[in-house]
Amino acid sequence: GESVGLHLPTLSVQEGDNSIINCAYSNSASDYFIWYKQESGKGPQFIIDIRSNMDKRQGQRVTVLLNKTVKHLSLQIAATQPGDSAVYFCAEKGHTGNQFYFGTGTSLTVIP
Amino acid sequence: KAGVTQTPRYLIKTRGQQVTLSCSPISGHRSVSWYQQTPGQGLQFLFEYFSETQRNKGNFPGRFSGRQFSNSRSEMNVSTLELGDSALYLCASSSEVYEQYFGPGTRLTVT
Repeated sequence: GESVGLHLPTLSVQEGDNSIINCAYSNSASDYFIWYKQESGKGPQFIIDIRSNMDKRQGQRVTVLLNKTVKHLSLQIAATQPGDSAVYFCAEKGHTGNQFYFGTGTSLTVIP
Repeated sequence: KAGVTQTPRYLIKTRGQQVTLSCSPISGHRSVSWYQQTPGQGLQFLFEYFSETQRNKGNFPGRFSGRQFSNSRSEMNVSTLELGDSALYLCASSSEVYEQYFGPGTRLTVT
């Protein structure tokens, strides 16, 4: 099955700086990806998604970049705030239906 | 629009017992997926139901089962509980084959 990995398990940034969280995926045929944020004691929260026919998508303070050549995703958070502290997961959609494969997660800590 | 709801939120069971967890998807969503989250294994896919039919199944033993009702609500059952089944069980709903939204999860502790 697919495997989705994260380059760094923890990341600390100063409040106001930009954050970049990386993710590698294994299936070059994957056509859809989601980034989730999970705070302690809560379920994963949908942040932003991207389809394989795009290489960049922007949301409010977040940007996802997709590099299909090297099978790499990144999530950029602009002007990181203390409320952004959480674990971030990338998820890769499987071949059929809504089966997703999740990375191990990156724990982001924002230092005030 | 109300989000995904899961009941109960917390559960303590004894090894060998069985448990049933419930999930109500976002109104209008017909796809419900279940995941198990543990510190060691991360988020792992259990199964997905769409219009009352199991559409996908992950690599879990047959002790894990589920079903979906005509109103899209879903239940998952774990029989003969083992200590290793202690986990956060997450339900996610989708209106189509994209944009999956999660509920708060049910924290299951097996003693």
